[in-house]
Amino acid sequence: GENVEQHPSTLSVQEGDSAVIKCTYSDSASNYFPWYKQELGKGPQLIIDIRSNVGEKKDQRIAVTLNKTAKHFSLHITETQPEDSAVYFCAASKGSARQLTFGSGTQLTVLP
Amino acid sequence: GAVVSQHPSRVICKSGTSVKIECRSLDFQATTMFWYRQFPKQSLMLMATSNEGSKATYEQGVEKDKFLINHASLTLSTLTVTSAHPEDSSFYICSARRGGRQETQYFGPGTRLLVL
Repeated sequence: GENVEQHPSTLSVQEGDSAVIKCTYSDSASNYFPWYKQELGKGPQLIIDIRSNVGEKKDQRIAVTLNKTAKHFSLHITETQPEDSAVYFCAASKGSARQLTFGSGTQLTVLP
Repeated sequence: GAVVSQHPSRVICKSGTSVKIECRSLDFQATTMFWYRQFPKQSLMLMATSNEGSKATYEQGVEKDKFLINHASLTLSTLTVTSAHPEDSSFYICSARRGGRQETQYFGPGTRLLVL
């Protein structure tokens, strides 16, 4: 089955700096890659996603890049703010069932 | 749009009792709903996938007789934890997908279960 690895497990940045979180996947058939933000005690919230026919996608301060050949994708957050502090999960899915396989999560802390 | 609710948000029960958690898609019809379990500081673990009107598909290692899932309508799925024990204490989260070629899963706010 699919295996998604996520790094780093924790990341601290100064407010205004950029943050990058990286994920690799094992199944070359995976074709949909969402990123979720989870605040303490809450459910995950979709922040951005990318499909395998696209190499990069941006939404204001957030961007995701995908390298299908290397089977890795990354989340980029620019001009970080304290409210960006949360756990971020990457995921991959394929097939008609569209089940998600999640990475292990990254605790992002933005220091004021 | 794409709001998913869960009820209750937290529940405390005695060992041996059963607990039902509801998951509703409020503004769209969800052909498929998923149930996850999350332990503290860990990732989400898929428990089962349910399609409206059919039996749920459980992941390996998840007891289908203990975690009963019903997806009776396009907007409601329920998870019943039967004969709950302290080791069932966890954060249970559902998600819903519109269906067809729509890949996006929208997650509920989660239910914190504590079994005493």
